[in-house]
Amino acid sequence: GENVEQHPSTLSVQEGDSAVIKCTYSDSASNYFPWYKQELGKRPQLIIDIRSNVGEKKDQRIAVTLNKTAKHFSLHITETQPEDSAVYFCAPSNSGTYKYIFGTGTRLKVLA
Amino acid sequence: NAGVTQTPKFQVLKTGQSMTLQCAQDMNHEYMSWYRQDPGMGLRLIHYSVGAGITDQGEVPNGYNVSRSTTEDFPLRLLSAAPSQTSVYFCASSYGRLPMNTEAFFGQGTRLTVV
Repeated sequence: GENVEQHPSTLSVQEGDSAVIKCTYSDSASNYFPWYKQELGKRPQLIIDIRSNVGEKKDQRIAVTLNKTAKHFSLHITETQPEDSAVYFCAPSNSGTYKYIFGTGTRLKVLA
Repeated sequence: NAGVTQTPKFQVLKTGQSMTLQCAQDMNHEYMSWYRQDPGMGLRLIHYSVGAGITDQGEVPNGYNVSRSTTEDFPLRLLSAAPSQTSVYFCASSYGRLPMNTEAFFGQGTRLTVV
């Protein structure tokens, strides 16, 4: 938590290609690493999360990988589809605090 | 379950007016929070609450008050609206029982314009 940065801020990919979004955080005590998807005009919704005792988690076309040493985790989307177009947010947190700080967001555009 | 419900969905205020954004959840969540989202920007934490009677400031608390008299409700009050408070406001809740942080559930948002 605390300082949270996402890269890139915008990402355009061709349909069917893969997309990777990286989230870097400063709080070394962070132990919960979720990714949220926000479609245009909608509310953010959790799509995948990981805890610090796991290095990688997959759910169909999406996956999250964690590198605690380097203090970053990444969202991977394979075989992208137009409905993947949205803004994606990370929100790493420390179980000792209730301050859920969101990353700056990444706008993903999947081009048909 | 309705989840997290916010009212109103849209609101226009004049500078200097006050108003309350309502947020209610029916999931018996202890943790509730308010965020603002400016155009093309991320979510910034305004205030949060870890249970009835307990609130704390987030990243951008100035100009806003909150209270938590019940587990279900967490209203956000704008004391004297300013054009800089034009934004979309989201309320969120989660189970939030330490030491495990969990998924945040968001309301549908309130689009506020201050003229």
